Amino acid sequence: GNSVTQMEGPVTLSEEAFLTINCTYTATGYPSLFWYVQYPGEGLQLLLKATKADDKGSNKGFEATYRKETTSFHLEKGSVQVSDSAVYFCALRPYSGAGSYQLTFGKGTKLSVIP
Amino acid sequence: DAGVTQSPTHLIKTRGQHVTLRCSPISGHKSVSWYQQVLGQGPQFIFQYYEKEERGRGNFPDRFSARQFPNYSSELNVNALLLGDSALYLCASSFKTSVSTDTQYFGPGTRLTVL
Repeated sequence: GNSVTQMEGPVTLSEEAFLTINCTYTATGYPSLFWYVQYPGEGLQLLLKATKADDKGSNKGFEATYRKETTSFHLEKGSVQVSDSAVYFCALRPYSGAGSYQLTFGKGTKLSVIP
Repeated sequence: DAGVTQSPTHLIKTRGQHVTLRCSPISGHKSVSWYQQVLGQGPQFIFQYYEKEERGRGNFPDRFSARQFPNYSSELNVNALLLGDSALYLCASSFKTSVSTDTQYFGPGTRLTVL
C-alpha cells in the first residue's frame, strides 16, 4: 500500500539555521507529493507541492524536489524564522486507481525555532 | 474568498452519544473529504464525496457516515461515540475528485472530545 515516512521530531533550530526535514514514500506509479504545515491550534495549510519527477515545489522560502529515483521529497529552507515553528506533514496522493482520491500523510515533524 | 469553514470549533460529548460535524467547501469546489487527526499523528482519511456521491471510504467502522448536500456542503456523523473518537476532524475541499494533482484545501477543524 501507499505510505509516507518522515524523520522523527521534534526538531529544534536556532533562528537563521538551515532546515531539512526528510520524507520518503512508497507508492506505485507517479503520485503527487505535498507538504502541509499545521500551526498550533489550527488546521492544515498547503505549503508546496510537486506533481511529477524532478519537479521542485517552492513557497515562502521552503523548497522540496520530487526525486523518483530515491522516492523522496525532502523539505528545505535556507534560513528559518521563529514564525516557522509548526508541525510539518509530508503527504502523497496516488496518480490513479484505488486511493487516488485520498491523501496519505506521514506522522508529522514538529519544528521549534528559538531566537 | 472564504476558505473551507467548519462548525462547531469545539465539541464535548460523552460515550455512546451521537455527533454531527459540518463543513462548507471553498466556493466552486465540488469535492469534500473528511480526515481524522488523533493527537500527535497525521490525518487519516475517512470519506470523500463528489457531486453528492461517496467516492471513497477509509478504514473506519460503520458508526461513521457522511453526506453531501446540493450546495456541496457536507456533514460527518459519528454514532455510539467511543473515547478513541476524540480527535481533530478536518474537512478538505477540492475542485475535482480523482485527479491526483488536484490540491485539497483544509478547514480549521472541529476538536471533538469524548468523555
